[in-house]
Amino acid sequence: EIVMTQSPATLSVSPGERVTLSCRASQSVSDNLAWYQQKPGQASRLLIYDASTRATGIPARFSGSGTGTEFTLTISSLQSEDFAVYYCQQYNFWYTFGQGTKLEIK
Amino acid sequence: QVQLVESGGGLVEPGGSLRLSCVVSGFTLSDFYMTWVRQVPGKGPEWISYISSNSKNIYYSDSVKGRFTISKDSARNSLYLQMNSLRAEDTAVYYCTRGGSRSLRHMDVWGRGTTVIVSS
Repeated sequence: EIVMTQSPATLSVSPGERVTLSCRASQSVSDNLAWYQQKPGQASRLLIYDASTRATGIPARFSGSGTGTEFTLTISSLQSEDFAVYYCQQYNFWYTFGQGTKLEIK
Repeated sequence: QVQLVESGGGLVEPGGSLRLSCVVSGFTLSDFYMTWVRQVPGKGPEWISYISSNSKNIYYSDSVKGRFTISKDSARNSLYLQMNSLRAEDTAVYYCTRGGSRSLRHMDVWGRGTTVIVSS
């Protein structure tokens, strides 16, 4: 099983800040990686797929990068609606998710 | 509007059974791969099963293989998960998700989930 490790577990940030979330795979997943946003009581939202392609309707402040085992999700200027939990998921070999990074308001 | 709505969760005793349903709208079920994903609160999601668009390919994670069965009824716009021999470790929120039209890679639409609690 490919293990996905996200860091940090929690990030305290202020609106308007730039933030970078990390995701590491236990073995190469090429660019077969997605990022999701999860908020309580809401359906999770696909943000990024194929490591760097924004999903339909996702604002340009969200960007993804990386390949192989190291990936990042960057939010260029945090908005109030961006405070949520973010998960990475690999689909190179079956499907596994990271344990999440929670963005909280500083 | 593309939407997935799960139902059927609840409290069940260990060894019991439950059938989850997911009603889809805004797209044709037979055109997409569909999955079930579960999540224990505070932990990352876990993929457990998928069914291909033509229903010919069905896969399960090792954690549920032999106990859970995925199926769909395109006429009813519904995806199902029959869960048998339930264990305490099956307690989670269960989500229905949509994959691609020709394969399952990322999941572009999620439901809000239904909660399953396995306890005596």
